[in-house]
Amino acid sequence: DADVTQTPRNRITKTGKRIMLECSQTKGHDRMYWYRQDPGLGLRLIYYSFDVKDINKGEISDGYSVSRQAQAKFSLSLESAIPNQTALYFCATSNSYNEQFFGPGTRLTVL
Amino acid sequence: GEDVEQSLFLSVREGDSSVINCTYTDSSSTYLYWYKQEPGAGLQLLTYIFSNMDMKQDQRLTVLLNKKDKHLSLRIADTQTGDSAIYFCAERQAGTALIFGKGTTLSVSS
Repeated sequence: DADVTQTPRNRITKTGKRIMLECSQTKGHDRMYWYRQDPGLGLRLIYYSFDVKDINKGEISDGYSVSRQAQAKFSLSLESAIPNQTALYFCATSNSYNEQFFGPGTRLTVL
Repeated sequence: GEDVEQSLFLSVREGDSSVINCTYTDSSSTYLYWYKQEPGAGLQLLTYIFSNMDMKQDQRLTVLLNKKDKHLSLRIADTQTGDSAIYFCAERQAGTALIFGKGTTLSVSS
């Protein structure tokens, strides 16, 4: 079984819809992250959480929100999706050495 | 500058060595990382180096760190077609998450 899972793996939605992407991990790590990947731009950090009560904005948090429901769960929401949020979204966890372990990604298309 | 910088593309022949270069931003970064992303997959940690090291070797992979120039490189010996992927350099700055470069696409031809 994968250590970091993401659901859904693919999603097509319309402008203005609310979308939630979910991430679960079985690695027992406290630290979790959400990134988006766009061609030619690499990975950009959206939000991160160092423990259940800690939430921090990353480089590109506008238009996104997160919830850390438990140590193992970290969800990303788009309150009102827009086309330029079309991207590949990755969840990751890390250990104390900041070795990051990535989920398989969610491909989101906003029409 | 503020960004972790990498060249975008590298093309090599099978059996040759590949060298992917990266310039990072923060001289106080404690760990530096190389990740590999194969098509349609997430990122996989390849190796990392602690800032007090100059070199780390792991089978076909050699990481070189020049702290004075804030330059990191990844050498892949005897490059194979299965090494074709995007390679990301990343640095860990104190108290923050990792900062990633934009990735170098390695293309290996037979």
